[in-house]
Amino acid sequence: ETGVTQSPTHLIKTRGQQVTLRCSSQSGHNTVSWYQQALGQGPQFIFQYYREEENGRGNFPPRFSGLQFPNYSSELNVNALELDDSALYLCASSPRASGGGSYNEQFFGPGTRLTVL
Amino acid sequence: RKEVEQDPGPFNVPEGATVAFNCTYSNSASQSFFWYRQDCRKEPKLLMSVYSSGNEDGRFTAQLNRASQYISLLIRDSKLSDSATYLCVVPFNQGGKLIFGQGTELSVKP
Repeated sequence: ETGVTQSPTHLIKTRGQQVTLRCSSQSGHNTVSWYQQALGQGPQFIFQYYREEENGRGNFPPRFSGLQFPNYSSELNVNALELDDSALYLCASSPRASGGGSYNEQFFGPGTRLTVL
Repeated sequence: RKEVEQDPGPFNVPEGATVAFNCTYSNSASQSFFWYRQDCRKEPKLLMSVYSSGNEDGRFTAQLNRASQYISLLIRDSKLSDSATYLCVVPFNQGGKLIFGQGTELSVKP
């Protein structure tokens, strides 16, 4: 069984640029969530995708956007990069979307470390 | 008040020590709780789930106090390999959102 994979592992961009991060979910998982983890902080929820539609969003501006593809892989796009966007971006997959108090364990990928100069 | 709060530490303990981490949460409707472990520059991995008053797995014990909205993680007989950051996690009721505390760093010394 293949786990969650993310690419690239590291990325350096300059302020104002745009970036696309990619995630392949674990086999059999149809839900992907994205998190941003700044240095010394816990991960913060960006959004979740279930069956190619956004299924919940955290407190992030619209320049953070995403996609999910029919094979359940996902992209995170960030436009107009700011210095504070420098962080570890984590993708997590789960068997199905959670709601109403239920929970499915989320399995995390190794992350993409983004540095904005 | 933050949704999930933890003491950031670091906790520096000798091998064999018992150490406890605390976590408070603000949403009284939360039903399930989790402790994740994150090694340096790695992804978080689920350590324990807590659905009722507590859970025990070997040297690890998680306890829940709903009245005080408080979760704890106890590690007995600490090993060098326990050195990591421990994240307290509360699922949000809708949308599959996980709310993480900032993490508590543990360093176990020989």
